[in-house]
Amino acid sequence: NAGVTQTPKFRVLKTGQSMTLLCAQDMNHEYMYWYRQDPGMGLRLIHYSVGEGTTAKGEVPDGYNVSRLKKQNFLLGLESAAPSQTSVYFCASSQGVTNTEAFFGQGTRLTVV
Amino acid sequence: AQSVAQPEDQVNVAEGNPLTVKCTYSVSGNPYLFWYVQYPNRGLQFLLKYITGDNLVKGSYGFEAEFNKSQTSFHLKKPSALVSDSALYFCAVRDRRGGSYIPTFGRGTSLIVHP
Repeated sequence: NAGVTQTPKFRVLKTGQSMTLLCAQDMNHEYMYWYRQDPGMGLRLIHYSVGEGTTAKGEVPDGYNVSRLKKQNFLLGLESAAPSQTSVYFCASSQGVTNTEAFFGQGTRLTVV
Repeated sequence: AQSVAQPEDQVNVAEGNPLTVKCTYSVSGNPYLFWYVQYPNRGLQFLLKYITGDNLVKGSYGFEAEFNKSQTSFHLKKPSALVSDSALYFCAVRDRRGGSYIPTFGRGTSLIVHP
């Protein structure tokens, strides 16, 4: 049972570089989310998607873009990485019914130097 | 917007003692509340949820949570703590964004269980 899989698990970027984080889920979930976790800040929503081909902004979307071309995949892009984007990034998915819980990937630890 | 607050950054408890991790909520309408646990270097795992019905909700690993409407609280509890319960715990609420419902999390509480 793979659940939610994130790649890569670790990455170091130089300021100004770009990269894409991949999230894949095998549970046929409608909703997918990208969060970032920073000490003392909890989880903050970056972007989310309520279905294939749809995306929407969360609390902290600046500097990030997303795409959901296939239902099972949700990509998070950093166009020009900044040190403030050093964080742990989590992808999650849920069925989309309002009372169901979210399932999380193991996270991507990103350091921007 | 719906929100949850976790007033304690850290909770310390001795093994075998009961534990409580606090969460208060601010919602309009009926609250849909969740607890998750995060072990080191892992993603969040679902523990339990309150949707409606019985105010005492039972979940995984012997945890339970008490929904209290008058105090707008949803505290996580366990009768006897284990060292292996040491982890980061997040309270979450269903928040309405546009026409969708999205999980919104508290800042987390670090639970440390001492042998």
